[in-house]
Amino acid sequence: AQSVAQPEDQVNVAEGNPLTVKCTYSVSGNPYLFWYVQYPNRGLQFLLKYITGDNLVKGSYGFEAEFNKSQTSFHLKKPSALVSDSALYFCAVRDIRTGANNLFFGTGTRLTVIP
Amino acid sequence: DVKVTQSSRYLVKRTGEKVFLECVQDMDHENMFWYRQDPGLGLRLIYFSYDVKMKEKGDIPEGYSVSREKKERFSLILESASTNQTSMYLCASLTGANEQFFGPGTRLTVL
Repeated sequence: AQSVAQPEDQVNVAEGNPLTVKCTYSVSGNPYLFWYVQYPNRGLQFLLKYITGDNLVKGSYGFEAEFNKSQTSFHLKKPSALVSDSALYFCAVRDIRTGANNLFFGTGTRLTVIP
Repeated sequence: DVKVTQSSRYLVKRTGEKVFLECVQDMDHENMFWYRQDPGLGLRLIYFSYDVKMKEKGDIPEGYSVSREKKERFSLILESASTNQTSMYLCASLTGANEQFFGPGTRLTVL
């Protein structure tokens, strides 16, 4: 079975400090991994993805994520947080072995950047 | 740019009404998806479609049906709305880069 866990419902960080939003996954085969962001009253926006290759993936708005196969993790990071980064963040996984295009989403982590 | 539009941003319906939520994408994508989003539960897949007239159940299809008569349009139907279907509904289509592109969402309230 495929699943994604975001262990923190809420993350608070001071503006200018580095931020990390955690994600762990469980799939039978090799994963496609994604991060999406949702601003208030909006749909989800794609941030970045890992499919293959370099374990460090760079995405939109200065975000990056590191794929760690041994720890089955795909944590989202940013070196210096902005107040405008405050939003709801979702990690998602697709099991490429099945050939399906479905994504399984985590429950979301609300990031608040404090001025 | 990919564009996914949903027919309504906010919708209020009464228990027992038949509700149609429309989603249109303009990039000729084959795969389209309907999710509902609830606090603490994340996004859950209701139905998806991989081609015209083709549909597959997702994780929570009960109480819902879908229609895909044209490639660009994927409709979600609540045959008899109930209060536990009050939620945010999100439509998405799949790009050639394996990214799901989402519409703005419809916040449905069933009274």
